[in-house]
Amino acid sequence: KAGVTQTPRYLIKTRGQQVTLSCSPISGHRSVSWYQQTPGQGLQFLFEYFSETQRNKGNFPGRFSGRQFSNSRSEMNVSTLELGDSALYLCASSTGPNTGELFFGEGSRLTVL
Amino acid sequence: AQSVTQPDIHITVSEGASLELRCNYSYGATPYLFWYVQSPGQGLQLLLKYFSGDTLVQGIKGFEAEFKRSQSSFNLRKPSVHWSDAAEYFCAVGAGVILTGGGNKLTFGTGTQLKVEL
Repeated sequence: KAGVTQTPRYLIKTRGQQVTLSCSPISGHRSVSWYQQTPGQGLQFLFEYFSETQRNKGNFPGRFSGRQFSNSRSEMNVSTLELGDSALYLCASSTGPNTGELFFGEGSRLTVL
Repeated sequence: AQSVTQPDIHITVSEGASLELRCNYSYGATPYLFWYVQSPGQGLQLLLKYFSGDTLVQGIKGFEAEFKRSQSSFNLRKPSVHWSDAAEYFCAVGAGVILTGGGNKLTFGTGTQLKVEL
């Protein structure tokens, strides 16, 4: 069974631009969560989607948004990029919204210059 | 709000030696507790989880963890470390999802970097 696939793996953007990251969950998994990982703040929860609905949202500004499609694939978008948005963005899938058992992808490493 | 403390940022052990990684949590109700491992350039992999029941839980790769409510701890142990165990280990707590609808929102500790000396 294929794991969680995140694209792109690496990307470089400049301040003010926007970026879209994609996540394909494990087949059959309907819940997708997003986390931001930085050396200073560690792992922080961004949001979670289940059945195309956002179930939970972390403490991030409105520049961070996401969505989930009917095939459970998810995208997250960051608009008006800031230097502090440089991070590893991790997507995790699970069978349902209340399992806590997350299967993580390898992440998308975003560098903002 | 829940929180997780991993007091050891770095730990070095010799191959074959025993290992214990510390984790303390703060949560008002019965927590869901997890240990994840992250190898360089990789995502996180679930080692083990505690939801309820037996306070000693077994995980993959020979790891185990013990939930101690009185100490608010969930320490990870392995009797004999292998060089391939070198990685970063994260303890995490989840909300009591059934009651609060916390879903898969986990709060992670800052991680413990494990180095294994050959």
